[in-house]
Amino acid sequence: QQQVKQSPQSLIVQKGGISIINCAYENTAFDYFPWYQQFPGKGPALLIAIRPDVSEKKEGRFTISFNKSAKQFSLHIMDSQPGDSATYFCAASSRSNDYKLSFGAGTTVTVRA
Amino acid sequence: GAGVSQSPSNKVTEKGKDVELRCDPISGHTALYWYRQSLGQGLEFLIYFQGNSAPDKSGLPSDRFSAERTGGSVSTLTIQRTQQEDSAVYLCASSPWSDNEQFFGPGTRLTVL
Repeated sequence: QQQVKQSPQSLIVQKGGISIINCAYENTAFDYFPWYQQFPGKGPALLIAIRPDVSEKKEGRFTISFNKSAKQFSLHIMDSQPGDSATYFCAASSRSNDYKLSFGAGTTVTVRA
Repeated sequence: GAGVSQSPSNKVTEKGKDVELRCDPISGHTALYWYRQSLGQGLEFLIYFQGNSAPDKSGLPSDRFSAERTGGSVSTLTIQRTQQEDSAVYLCASSPWSDNEQFFGPGTRLTVL
């Protein structure tokens, strides 16, 4: 059973637009929530991560919003660029479980120029 | 510095053969994880090594899968009597002690004919 549910499966956005990807989890033991970006033929690369003691984290054009009570978190990509076209995975892990990652199913983002 | 490396990058084998996949983690990283990425199952945890402790094998899908880590560094994932459902990309990630950021290698794409 998938511990992290991710949506949408894919999205298309115009250059300069905002991409939003949502994830939900059930396990309240999770205490680390990273987002990974993956290009074809490459391994996932950490994009940004958040812990549940903050509700938002921003790094450049990428922002994570976290809602602990709803057990949901989302990735916002502002001013989307063609180079952002990739597959994005949310994930969750816990210190008590040695930070083994549980991944969402992934979202393929296509940015049209 | 050098990232996580994996070899081979591609492996094609016949059903029933054994295969060995290699992972060289980032120097000094004590934690090493293997994941599998397949179309049907997404990204799933396989096995975890931390220093000289006994590995956490809880994610291995069958007893045909095994892994070892020599000298706390290089790791080898072995799949015996390969089946077509073993076809996937096998990813290795490493992490520093007491940190939770995992750095992924490029993966080995395994195709079982």
